[in-house]
Amino acid sequence: KAGVTQTPRYLIKTRGQQVTLSCSPISGHRSVSWYQQTPGQGLQFLFEYFSETQRNKGNFPGRFSGRQFSNSRSEMNVSTLELGDSALYLCASSLEGRRLFFGSGTQLSVL
Amino acid sequence: TQLLEQSPQFLSIQEGENLTVYCNSSSVFSSLQWYRQEPGEGPVLLVTVVTGGEVKKLKRLTFQFGDARKDSSLHITAAQPGDTGLYLCAGDKLSSYKLIFGSGTRLLVRP
Repeated sequence: KAGVTQTPRYLIKTRGQQVTLSCSPISGHRSVSWYQQTPGQGLQFLFEYFSETQRNKGNFPGRFSGRQFSNSRSEMNVSTLELGDSALYLCASSLEGRRLFFGSGTQLSVL
Repeated sequence: TQLLEQSPQFLSIQEGENLTVYCNSSSVFSSLQWYRQEPGEGPVLLVTVVTGGEVKKLKRLTFQFGDARKDSSLHITAAQPGDTGLYLCAGDKLSSYKLIFGSGTRLLVRP
């Protein structure tokens, strides 16, 4: 069974640009969660989707958004990038939203 | 505000030594999960503890959930270099559909 796939693996952007990250969950998993990981703040919850509906959202500004498609694949978008958005963005899939299977992440660097 | 505090933050020990990592909170969780993360990869679930006072063993790793379901510990017996990594605890509250992660304990086991 294939694991959670995140693309791209690495990304370099400049301030003010926008970025879209993609996540393909494990087959059969309908819940997809997104987390931001930084050395200073650790893993911070961004949002969780289940069957195309956002069930919970973390304390991030509106520049961070996400969506889930009918095939459970998910994307997250960050607009007007800031230096502080540099982080490892992790996607996790789950059957029910609790036991999480993480992808390898997308390392975003904002210059 | 970090709801889950982990200690110690860093631990460097010799192969064969024992160690304990703590995860503490003032909040009650419906379950506590422990993950291990290696460089360049996403966290991998080690165990989930659900019942207050519960003890689970995974080979040389022993996990305990506090009676009040506010804290947990991870004990490693006879640590090996393969145990090196970032250990994360994560708390789950019913109906929240999100995990709250601790700040992490970075473990280095020297051969």
